[in-house]
Amino acid sequence: DVKVTQSSRYLVKRTGEKVFLECVQDMDHENMFWYRQDPGLGLRLIYFSYDVKMKEKGDIPEGYSVSREKKERFSLILESASTNQTSMYLCASSLGGQLNYGYTFGSGTRLTVV
Amino acid sequence: QKEVEQNSGPLSVPEGAIASLNCTYSDRGSQSFFWYRQYSGKSPELIMSIYSNGDKEDGRFTAQLNKASQYVSLLIRDSQPSDSATYLCALIKAAGNKLTFGGGTRVLVKP
Repeated sequence: DVKVTQSSRYLVKRTGEKVFLECVQDMDHENMFWYRQDPGLGLRLIYFSYDVKMKEKGDIPEGYSVSREKKERFSLILESASTNQTSMYLCASSLGGQLNYGYTFGSGTRLTVV
Repeated sequence: QKEVEQNSGPLSVPEGAIASLNCTYSDRGSQSFFWYRQYSGKSPELIMSIYSNGDKEDGRFTAQLNKASQYVSLLIRDSQPSDSATYLCALIKAAGNKLTFGGGTRVLVKP
């Protein structure tokens, strides 16, 4: 089974801090994605990557950046955390060109910014 | 109009009955469709995928796709309390390769 591992299950950070959320997958997937999920707003795509060192903006990239230096790892960075970034963050991966399988999600990181 | 629309529910279903969930979408060129189940506090897990018009069955789950009418549905037969969760409809739009999600339908199966 594909495993997508997010480094932290719960995080509490202060306003203005730089925050790193890490995601690692172990099945050589080309595609990786970062979503946030909020009540009433559903899953919203922040950034995604189709290959190492490649990244593309999703629907809500403002206030975030990403890094993909290795194929298995995709990091989400909150440059200066704000309270409106309190959310559940979900990482996902999928095979390139094999969209029949959909995504595999990590267990999520619940981030609280105080 | 939202790209993927679902009734938020809750959809209350007696144990053993059929739960019927619907999803409509706006991009006529959408090509692949997925149903995810998400338990409270957990991440989504893929339960069904469908690409062609018609029905696809997998155990107690049946996905139905009608591209002409732009809807996809999920039937859960013999509903169990363990089926109580939020069900997310997702699709890949034309010329795209990332998923767009609906807001989800919360299902409650009562013993």
